[in-house]
Amino acid sequence: AQSVTQPDIHITVSEGASLELRCNYSYGATPYLFWYVQSPGQGLQLLLKYFSGDTLVQGIKGFEAEFKRSQSSFNLRKPSVHWSDAAEYFCAVGAAGTASKLTFGTGTRLQVTL
Amino acid sequence: NAGVMQNPRHLVRRRGQEARLRCSPMKGHSHVYWYRQLPEEGLKFMVYLQKENIIDESGMPKERFSAEFPKEGPSILRIQQVVRGDSAAYFCASSPRHEDYGYTFGSGTRLTVV
Repeated sequence: AQSVTQPDIHITVSEGASLELRCNYSYGATPYLFWYVQSPGQGLQLLLKYFSGDTLVQGIKGFEAEFKRSQSSFNLRKPSVHWSDAAEYFCAVGAAGTASKLTFGTGTRLQVTL
Repeated sequence: NAGVMQNPRHLVRRRGQEARLRCSPMKGHSHVYWYRQLPEEGLKFMVYLQKENIIDESGMPKERFSAEFPKEGPSILRIQQVVRGDSAAYFCASSPRHEDYGYTFGSGTRLTVV
């Protein structure tokens, strides 16, 4: 069965600092990987996704993520964080060949200090 | 071009009542997915539907929960005889094709059982 681990429950960074959110997955074959962002009281917005090809994926809002098969990781990065990036971030994995469901991690809450 | 519309945004029910959550997918999307988010947890898959068909309900509790996506109208997630443990945010997502991972999530319905 597939699973996702986001080891950091809560992260605080200063505005303008760089950010890396960790995501480790467990899946037997090539996974489909996603990062979503959820602002308080809102739904989830897709930041980026990886299916195949280039392991460095660019997303919206200046985010990028790198797929590292050897480490079973898909960490999310941003070179310079803005106060508006404060939100909860979820990593998710899907099984290639079926679109029926994603498995989400428990999320990382990002706080940005001014 | 409206996104995925969920209503109501907030729903309060007393124990034992029924809850009906509605989801109108994006225009042109015929695949609907329901997820549940318990407090301090990630999203958990519940059910995947196409028009008039339940494709995968492996995440649905065996009792009291049902879902439909009729030929006309929104998808409905129905919870009978609600209990306090049903209190959660319920999110709907839609996509235009099977095996298309362009999930677009609605803003969710927050169900509170008192």
